[in-house]
Amino acid sequence: QQQVKQSPQSLIVQKGGISIINCAYENTAFDYFPWYQQFPGKGPALLIAIRPDVSEKKEGRFTISFNKSAKQFSLHIMDSQPGDSATYFCAAGRGSARQLTFGSGTQLTVLP
Amino acid sequence: ETGVTQSPTHLIKTRGQQVTLRCSSQSGHNTVSWYQQALGQGPQFIFQYYREEENGRGNFPPRFSGLQFPNYSSELNVNALELDDSALYLCATRGPTGGSEAFFGQGTRLTVV
Repeated sequence: QQQVKQSPQSLIVQKGGISIINCAYENTAFDYFPWYQQFPGKGPALLIAIRPDVSEKKEGRFTISFNKSAKQFSLHIMDSQPGDSATYFCAAGRGSARQLTFGSGTQLTVLP
Repeated sequence: ETGVTQSPTHLIKTRGQQVTLRCSSQSGHNTVSWYQQALGQGPQFIFQYYREEENGRGNFPPRFSGLQFPNYSSELNVNALELDDSALYLCATRGPTGGSEAFFGQGTRLTVV
């Protein structure tokens, strides 16, 4: 019930391409869905987050698509750049406590 | 920079020992959470403190304990260290408005030998 499943495990994209990472969850009590970016040796940094009352949120090159009925959400990175190469984690949280449950991560490599 | 500082950066301990990890955050960030991130995995929630009280705990044994101080700094204590405790330990803080965004520190890399 608490799991968040993330795919793919790794992703290689050409510069300028679109990177797509998918996540699925089981617990319908989740009401907050963030994506984090993590570089080696650093802590996760929040990229973008969405609540289940909207189906899409866009911030710059990053877009979250959310499908409440399917219990799935995805991150789209448009015009991917080599500097985007990092590990991306989806997560889900519930209530005011926001105890986040993370996916297993996607290692993104953007080729120059 | 997130304003969240963790110390030490790296630590090596022997199995069976005890360890204390520390976290300090921006003024007013009164909620602190600790996470364990094993190599190649996503962070796993250990517990959360709000106004010096634990108000949420993940699936971790009692030998993982914590404290939050009046200045909102925090400690994670782990007793009777096991080899599987080797991981990156992250703290994350949230602001007084109860906003959703959690600011993570850079983590403490703990190696148990």
